[in-house]
Amino acid sequence: DAGVTQSPTHLIKTRGQQVTLRCSPKSGHDTVSWYQQALGQGPQFIFQYYEEEERQRGNFPDRFSGHQFPNYSSELNVNALLLGDSALYLCASSLGDRVKKLFFGSGTQLSVL
Amino acid sequence: KQEVTQIPAALSVPEGENLVLNCSFTDSAIYNLQWFRQDPGKGLTSLLLIQSSQREQTSGRLNASLDKSSGRSTLYIAASQPGDSATYLCAVKVSGSRLTFGEGTQLTVNP
Repeated sequence: DAGVTQSPTHLIKTRGQQVTLRCSPKSGHDTVSWYQQALGQGPQFIFQYYEEEERQRGNFPDRFSGHQFPNYSSELNVNALLLGDSALYLCASSLGDRVKKLFFGSGTQLSVL
Repeated sequence: KQEVTQIPAALSVPEGENLVLNCSFTDSAIYNLQWFRQDPGKGLTSLLLIQSSQREQTSGRLNASLDKSSGRSTLYIAASQPGDSATYLCAVKVSGSRLTFGEGTQLTVNP
């Protein structure tokens, strides 16, 4: 039973570039949420996708966008990268949008130079 | 706005000691509270989940309690081991699947 998988594990970009991060949910799960975790901080909610639609969004600018595919996998896109976007990006999956328990992937470490 | 605070920020204990990690939240209207473990540069591993109607949950050497009315939760770790060294995060769910996290307690258990 595959857990939540994220790719790539590490990524280095320069300011102004665009990046796409990918997530495959745990088998049987249909909801994906994305979190940003800066060094030494707790994760911050970016948004949640369910039935291929964004259902909830945290306090992040429009530079952060996402997509969910029919197979429930998801992408997080960040445009016009800033140095402050450097963080660990975590994907979590669950069954249904009123979830009881989230399962997290190992994350993508993004460094913006 | 829900805010979650964890005390202490860091804790260093000798192996075998029992310890308590604290978590407080400002809005008592929560669906559940979850404790996670995070190893350096890694994702989150769920340890215990307490529904709003529950008072505590236990798993092995771990016990988590919830006092929703006072906005507090504690994670008790019995007979700590070096392998318990990690950052422990608590998170509350207010709506949907959105979790609000504390900043974590970094635990070091010395052999």
